[in-house]
Amino acid sequence: KQEVTQIPAALSVPEGENLVLNCSFTDSAIYNLQWFRQDPGKGLTSLLLIQSSQREQTSGRLNASLDKSSGRSTLYIAASQPGDSATYLCAVKPSGTYKYIFGTGTRLKVLA
Amino acid sequence: DTAVSQTPKYLVTQMGNDKSIKCEQNLGHDTMYWYKQDSKKFLKIMFSYNNKELIINETVPNRFSPKSPDKAHLNLHINSLELGDSAVYFCASSQDVAGGPTTDTQYFGPGTRLTVL
Repeated sequence: KQEVTQIPAALSVPEGENLVLNCSFTDSAIYNLQWFRQDPGKGLTSLLLIQSSQREQTSGRLNASLDKSSGRSTLYIAASQPGDSATYLCAVKPSGTYKYIFGTGTRLKVLA
Repeated sequence: DTAVSQTPKYLVTQMGNDKSIKCEQNLGHDTMYWYKQDSKKFLKIMFSYNNKELIINETVPNRFSPKSPDKAHLNLHINSLELGDSAVYFCASSQDVAGGPTTDTQYFGPGTRLTVL
């Protein structure tokens, strides 16, 4: 059974820092992995999707990497800004299924 | 233009009542989903329809019944509401379920906060 864990559960950093959010999954048989952002009281916004055959994806200040064999993905945020404050969730799509399994999320606060 | 919309945004009701939540997407997507986010913010899939056909039906009480009148709409009806049904329900859509980067990207609605008293 696929399980997805995100550590830390919460993170507080000063503005301008580069930071890394971690996502671990127990079964390496996945189609792809998505990183999402959720602002308080809002829906989720997809940030990056990495296919199982890819090692990383980049969008602006965000870079997501995938190491399928070790069951890990990281989301790197460069030069963090207060506007990056949100909860970040990763989700994996196990091979042979249509559904996503979500992680527990990391609540990020970037201090001005 | 709102891509994925849900109504109502808030729903407060008594135990035992029946209620519905509606979802519409204007993205031309083939696949729609219902998720439940509990009080600890854990998000879990409930149902999914692809081209109006049910493709995901997780272990959900049969008091919950999805209905997809067409590809752009997916409604959720809940019978005999219980206290434990209180949560935020999210609708989402994706182009398809083929597993590709453009087809699998999920677009979420703003959520419906259901409170059962």
